[in-house]
Amino acid sequence: TQLLEQSPQFLSIQEGENLTVYCNSSSVFSSLQWYRQEPGEGPVLLVTVVTGGEVKKLKRLTFQFGDARKDSSLHITAAQPGDTGLYLCAGAPAGGGSNYKLTFGKGTLLTVNP
Amino acid sequence: KAGVTQTPRYLIKTRGQQVTLSCSPISGHRSVSWYQQTPGQGLQFLFEYFSETQRNKGNFPGRFSGRQFSNSRSEMNVSTLELGDSALYLCASSFSGQDAWLSFGSGTRLTVV
Repeated sequence: TQLLEQSPQFLSIQEGENLTVYCNSSSVFSSLQWYRQEPGEGPVLLVTVVTGGEVKKLKRLTFQFGDARKDSSLHITAAQPGDTGLYLCAGAPAGGGSNYKLTFGKGTLLTVNP
Repeated sequence: KAGVTQTPRYLIKTRGQQVTLSCSPISGHRSVSWYQQTPGQGLQFLFEYFSETQRNKGNFPGRFSGRQFSNSRSEMNVSTLELGDSALYLCASSFSGQDAWLSFGSGTRLTVV
């Protein structure tokens, strides 16, 4: 069973601060995705990273996939209240196949205070 | 195009009853997956349907079942409800199920009392 550990579990910061959340596993993934979930809604895909060492930027959000494709990080610069939500990482199994399914971490609940 | 639609949004049931949740995927998406989300366990995979066939199944008891119709719409059923079944049930669709990304609905919040 592939597991994804996310840290920290909870994070409360002030508007304007920077932060990094982590997603770690002992398993190799073919790709890794980050989702954000707002209260009362389903998760929304932010980004997919597929190549070891890959870095993607989405405005103030920077995503990195580890060289060995076992871990990832999400860095937010100058956080805003609108960034508040549950950040989930999800790994796609290496090799694909008909029994393909994503493995989700438990998430990091981020609160950005005005 | 319309997103994934789940109905109902909220549901309150009594222990021992059964419940059916509905999901309409994005048009053209043939794979529908169901997840249970709780604060303690996070998102847990229930099952995935593709072309009316259950292709993958998570580690849930047989009280949890589902089906998919020819138009790709899906339903999941939980029989003999237990208090621990209280959760947010999320449906997600994708084109083939191996696209490596999912479009989620807003979920059905089930409360068992």
